[in-house]
Amino acid sequence: QKEVEQDPGPLSVPEGAIVSLNCTYSNSAFQYFMWYRQYSRKGPELLMYTYSSGNKEDGRFTAQVDKSSKYISLFIRDSQPSDSATYLCAMTGGGTDSWGKFQFGAGTQVVVTP
Amino acid sequence: NAGVTQTPKFQVLKTGQSMTLQCAQDMNHNSMYWYRQDPGMGLRLIYYSASEGTTDKGEVPNGYNVSRLNKREFSLRLESAAPSQTSVYFCASTWGNGNEQFFGPGTRLTVL
Repeated sequence: QKEVEQDPGPLSVPEGAIVSLNCTYSNSAFQYFMWYRQYSRKGPELLMYTYSSGNKEDGRFTAQVDKSSKYISLFIRDSQPSDSATYLCAMTGGGTDSWGKFQFGAGTQVVVTP
Repeated sequence: NAGVTQTPKFQVLKTGQSMTLQCAQDMNHNSMYWYRQDPGMGLRLIYYSASEGTTDKGEVPNGYNVSRLNKREFSLRLESAAPSQTSVYFCASTWGNGNEQFFGPGTRLTVL
């Protein structure tokens, strides 16, 4: 069983809708949680970074972490066609034994239709 | 700044051939990483280098070797390519413990 599970989609939404993405994980040692966006045939780019539990907002993007449920979410408000991409969650323990060792989800493909 | 650059962008190999994937970063980052990305599998760490002169195995190191040539450059070598190594390879770099990684554009490798 993978340490990080993510629905591959595709998730299709109309322009202006809220996109809701999530990942579940099994390793309670994870402390740092990231969301990356990857356009087709490009490298991933960091969108959001959260430490431990709680919410973080950046413009149209909100990241939530619920460590008690081992569940993280990303919400995109007022979605635009330019948001069409694959979204990857990633997480790590942050300690010296997990230094630099991320676990990535498989990615969810999002399509925003005009 | 060019960020993280990778060469080549595309490569086709025959089984048993060898090749080296090149990666360079101009952000003065200490740490560099090699990942492979396969459908349904996400990104998996092959090798990483915490600093110049050090390298460590990641999740899927078999069949690969790496060299941290200097602070800027981190290469990945396939000594005897196998069809199972068909994948998209990404190099990444970061400061410190790597919670914000910057990725290159990737190399698409096909092994026939």
